[in-house]
Amino acid sequence: EADIYQTPRYLVIGTGKKITLECSQTMGHDKMYWYQQDPGMELHLIHYSYGVNSTEKGDLSSESTVSRIRTEHFPLTLESARPSHTSQYLCASSELSGGGELFFGEGSRLTVL
Amino acid sequence: AQKVTQAQTEISVVEKEDVTLDCVYETRDTTYYLFWYKQPPSGELVFLIRRNSFDEQNEISGRYSWNFQKSTSSFNFTITASQVVDSAVYFCALSDPLTTGANNLFFGTGTRLTVIP
Repeated sequence: EADIYQTPRYLVIGTGKKITLECSQTMGHDKMYWYQQDPGMELHLIHYSYGVNSTEKGDLSSESTVSRIRTEHFPLTLESARPSHTSQYLCASSELSGGGELFFGEGSRLTVL
Repeated sequence: AQKVTQAQTEISVVEKEDVTLDCVYETRDTTYYLFWYKQPPSGELVFLIRRNSFDEQNEISGRYSWNFQKSTSSFNFTITASQVVDSAVYFCALSDPLTTGANNLFFGTGTRLTVIP
């Protein structure tokens, strides 16, 4: 069973608010990822990290930012939420450098009104 | 270019029927990895299988089986004697770390399977 946790599971907020989605893993994995999932199911990588103080942008451009100050923690922040940010955000982590299994959290479903 | 194609958007079957979910991938690497994940209504993605490009052996795990064919760039997933609990969205994914330089997964668009009791 994967030990990766996301909070909040559900969040409904108004436009212009700042939000942070939390992601923590207890497996000691160096690599962590954020995926955005459209309502139509498709998953897109928006951020990833190879370790502490390492962050990279993914394939899909996102206005969100991430930080990696501790190995186990990889929060995602939106400074000013908009309705276009409404989506499901999935955090994942992995151990191996190539081809390793990704462990996913349960996701954070964000709705911006 | 799209790396992973799951042409079936939605499939419905009656319980106990067999069902095959198709996955076609594209990569220039000789070393790559293919995955299947299940996403139940609760939202998390559950790992089902990983296959590396050098292992073309088909695999069976209970009611699940996977058919990997490099000649057609396909990695199809079959559920035998489907059950209602199999209802979920299934994602095929590709990792080609030599190209991307990272352990990133490229996901297909998913296939929503509904098993009708």
